[in-house]
Amino acid sequence: AQTIHQWPVAEIKAVGSPLSLGCTIKGKSSPNLYWYWQATGGTLQQLFYSITVGQVESVVQLNLSASRPKDDQFILSTEKLLLSHSGFYLCAWSEGGPSQNTLYFGAGTRLSVL
Amino acid sequence: GDQVEQSPSALSLHEGTGSALRCNFTTTMRAVQWFRKNSRGSLINLFYLASGTKENGRLKSAFDSKERYSTLHIRDAQLEDSGTYFCAALTGNTGKLIFGLGTTLQVQP
Repeated sequence: AQTIHQWPVAEIKAVGSPLSLGCTIKGKSSPNLYWYWQATGGTLQQLFYSITVGQVESVVQLNLSASRPKDDQFILSTEKLLLSHSGFYLCAWSEGGPSQNTLYFGAGTRLSVL
Repeated sequence: GDQVEQSPSALSLHEGTGSALRCNFTTTMRAVQWFRKNSRGSLINLFYLASGTKENGRLKSAFDSKERYSTLHIRDAQLEDSGTYFCAALTGNTGKLIFGLGTTLQVQP
């Protein structure tokens, strides 16, 4: 069975500080990986997606970056946090393109920027 | 299992006209989100609904969890509305977002 693990569970960070959120998928080789940001009202905003190691596509510009250093790992980061970065970050995986498959989400990371 | 049935699969409209896309769900869903795929293949959020209706410009969406469907209405279609639209339903259990197969919309002059 596939498992998806996100870390940390929650973060409280200061404006201007760096951030690194991690996501690991076990039990699935070569998954498509996604970062979503759950904004106010529950809207899921796709941030990045990756179909293979070393390749990441940016969907929206939020002064964040993502990397896929290994097949089962997806990292979301920034060198300088903004207040607007607060929210709930979700990592997800799918077997194929997102529009023809089910996305499986991790438990998420709650980020508060103060 | 949980499924999302999206219709129509393809739609052709003349500029200025309108129509509706629909997604039916086989089970009760917690919320629905409508996306449009841009030229780079990314999914751009249009609406997120846990219930009721929302409107944004020429687009309006409705979600009825009890009746297990959601709609996306497009009015006064413009050429730039052409593209592929997807609905995605958030299941009652945590952690799954299930997509419909999409509707390819072509708006003609």
